[in-house]
Amino acid sequence: EVQLVETGGGLVQPGSSLKLSCATSGFTFSITWMNWVRQAPGKGLEWVALIKDKYGNYEANYAESVKGRFTISRDDSKSRVYLQMNTLRDQDTATYYCTRGIMGNFDYWGQGVMVTVSS
Amino acid sequence: DIQMTQSPASLSASLEEVVTITCQASLDIGNWLAWYQQKPGKSPQFLIFGATSLADGVPSRFSGSRSGTQYSLKISRLQVEDLGIYYCLQGYSAPYTFGAGTKLELK
Repeated sequence: EVQLVETGGGLVQPGSSLKLSCATSGFTFSITWMNWVRQAPGKGLEWVALIKDKYGNYEANYAESVKGRFTISRDDSKSRVYLQMNTLRDQDTATYYCTRGIMGNFDYWGQGVMVTVSS
Repeated sequence: DIQMTQSPASLSASLEEVVTITCQASLDIGNWLAWYQQKPGKSPQFLIFGATSLADGVPSRFSGSRSGTQYSLKISRLQVEDLGIYYCLQGYSAPYTFGAGTKLELK
């Protein structure tokens, strides 16, 4: 059974950092592209970041809104994907979802983790 | 970035009614279009990929179509479990972009 479980969310102050983790199981993680998608309270979905697999040279892409502040990474030995979030802003407040898939075809999603940026 | 214009923003329909939601891409994305359904408090669910192919386990009353850069999601006979918010997503090139969503409610 495919599972994705996000952890690491919480309440942080503007300007601070937070690292999200997504533990996965039930599929061959090392050959799977992974993504983060977020949803601000009461708002729509926003794609955040992508990291390709080893055959894609682990290339990463980012939404313009997070470029230069967020870093996506992965540990194939642990079947985990991470999202390092720096210089957090109020507008980054959202539920963050980990999802697997290629070219926008995201077939499995985690349950989401809440990040609240507030002073 | 590629813009996805989704309409309508909200839709009220009766059970067994035919429902159609559309997304217009700002440029040619081929068939790199997926549809998602989200119910309150839940993670999004994968419905359609490649503009027209049903994901595993999705009822056959759902269908997707494409005409140029316009994409449509059709529910042939609305059921109560179909209520929620629907999003399109272009996966042609990063940054991937979602439509703004369509909230589907019961009339």
